[in-house]
Order: sequence, then C-alpha cells, then structure tokens
Amino acid sequence: TQLLEQSPQFLSIQEGENLTVYCNSSSVFSSLQWYRQEPGEGPVLLVTVVTGGEVKKLKRLTFQFGDARKDSSLHITAAQTGDTGLYLCAGARSSGTYKYIFGTGTRLKVLA
Amino acid sequence: EAQVTQNPRYLITVTGKKLTVTCSQNMNHEYMSWYRQDPGLGLRQIYYSMNVEVTDKGDVPEGYKVSRKEKRNFPLILESPSPNQTSLYFCASSFGRFQGGQETQYFGPGTRLLVL
Repeated sequence: TQLLEQSPQFLSIQEGENLTVYCNSSSVFSSLQWYRQEPGEGPVLLVTVVTGGEVKKLKRLTFQFGDARKDSSLHITAAQTGDTGLYLCAGARSSGTYKYIFGTGTRLKVLA
Repeated sequence: EAQVTQNPRYLITVTGKKLTVTCSQNMNHEYMSWYRQDPGLGLRQIYYSMNVEVTDKGDVPEGYKVSRKEKRNFPLILESPSPNQTSLYFCASSFGRFQGGQETQYFGPGTRLLVL
C-alpha cells in the first residue's frame, strides 16, 4: 500500500519564522499536490508539481518535488497568522489516474 | 458561484439505519469522488466516478455505495452504518479530462457523521 508520511504532524511557531513541512513515501508518484484546509471547510489546492526536481513558488510558499518523485517539501518564509491551517499533500499513483493518496497532514499554528 | 454542496452538514444516526449523503456540483465536472477524513489518517478515497454510470472503488469502499445517474450528483449511501463509519466526509469534483493527478479537485464543505 502506498503511503504518504508527513512531518511534522503539528507545528506551532511565531509570526515571522520560517518552516518546512515534509511529505515522504517509498513509492514513486506521477504528480503531487499540496492542499490547505481550514476548520469547517474542505481542502483547497495550493499547487501541483509534476516533474522530478521541480520547484514552484506561491508568494511566500515554496514547493519542491524530489528528484526521484518520492517526496516533496513545502517551505514557508516569514509565516503569518493567515498561514494557520492543516496542510495536506496528495499523490497520484500513476499518470492520468484519479486514484489519490493523501498524506497524514501537518497542522500549523502561527502565533501573533 | 462555482461550488460543491453537500447535505446534510451534520448527521447523528444509529447503527443499521440506512442513510444517504448528497453531493452536487454546478461546474459540469466529469470526475467526482468521496473521501473520509479521520485523525492521523488524512483523507482516504472511498469511491470515485469518471462520468455518468461509471464508478470505481477507492481505498476504503467497504460499507459504502455510490451512484452517478446524473452528471451533477454523486450521492454516498450507507446501507447499514456502523460506528467505525463515524467520520468527516468530503465530496470533491474536477474536470476529469484525463489529467488525473494534475487537476484541481474542488471540495465540498464536509459532512460530519456520528454513528451510535
């Protein structure tokens, strides 16, 4: 069974600090997505990475797909209270498939 | 407004009493899916559908049924709910133009189910 392990599970930091969240697997994924989920709502897509080694930036968020397409990271620079939420990675088992594996999630709290 | 709607948002029921959670999208999406979210386990895919009358199992289909008679609707049916189906359920949809894994999934607001 393919698994996506996220670390850390919980993270509480002060506003202005930097942080990195990891998403790891022993399996190869054709693509990987990052979502953010706020309480009482469904996940919202942040980014999709497809190519090994790919780096994408979304304002203060930097996403990287591992060279071997087995892992990914999300780095937030100068965190703000609005970054608080549950971050989920999700992998597609193969190209074109609609069967998704979601990571276990990282709950981030940014304190003012 | 483009959206995925689910009803009900909250439901308390008893073991064995059949229930249906509805899901509807107004974006003309081909693909729809159901997930359950449990602490420490993330989201797990229950069933998905690529088009009307086309459904397939996800990772945790046991105890659930789905149907896709219309493009916009994808109800989740629990014929005989059990306490281990207590969870937060999400419906999602995307264009479904054979770019699975790269498409944006739009999620509904969730349905919190408690089975006593």
